[in-house]
Amino acid sequence: EAQVTQNPRYLITVTGKKLTVTCSQNMNHEYMSWYRQDPGLGLRQIYYSMNVEVTDKGDVPEGYKVSRKEKRNFPLILESPSPNQTSLYFCASSPYRGLYTEAFFGQGTRLTVV
Amino acid sequence: AQSVTQLDSQVPVFEEAPVELRCNYSSSVSVYLFWYVQYPNQGLQLLLKYLSGSTLVKGINGFEAEFNKSQTSFHLRKPSVHISDTAEYFCAVITTGGTSYGKLTFGQGTILTVHP
Repeated sequence: EAQVTQNPRYLITVTGKKLTVTCSQNMNHEYMSWYRQDPGLGLRQIYYSMNVEVTDKGDVPEGYKVSRKEKRNFPLILESPSPNQTSLYFCASSPYRGLYTEAFFGQGTRLTVV
Repeated sequence: AQSVTQLDSQVPVFEEAPVELRCNYSSSVSVYLFWYVQYPNQGLQLLLKYLSGSTLVKGINGFEAEFNKSQTSFHLRKPSVHISDTAEYFCAVITTGGTSYGKLTFGQGTILTVHP
């Protein structure tokens, strides 16, 4: 089954404790991205990657890191989480920027930073 | 830069009534347009998309949308809603040129609540 898998689904952590949210897709898509969803703001792009070893900042990259060492995986790293990073996070993938087709989304990771 | 505005944050409606969710966009280059739906505790899934051709596009679950280039709108409609349509709906655009080439930009979302 074609899918984007995120882990964990729920995470509560303390300020400053490094964490990683994993994202994996099995569709051989070149393009992957991370979004955060906040009430009234919709989804905002954090980082994106057009292929292995190619990543770039989205609209809200501060406080986040990513890496793309393999085509299927695109982890999101919070080196020192803060309460304003409490949010719902989505990973998405699509073939070549998703210009002609849809983006496929993971189930989401609800992060709470206390 | 492109932007998407969904004009209603919440839309309550009774079952079997028609509904329209409004979406306007702004972009200096051509765009492709999408509507995504998010059911509670789930990720987003595609409802429909407009790439080119007929301005009236039909999607899953009986939804349709009309692209109006002069008004830069892409409103979503359904003639008769069901309880199961209760969800949050997102309008999104992808630019086809310029410095934001290929970037997917979302609106703020509209929560549709269908009452029995």
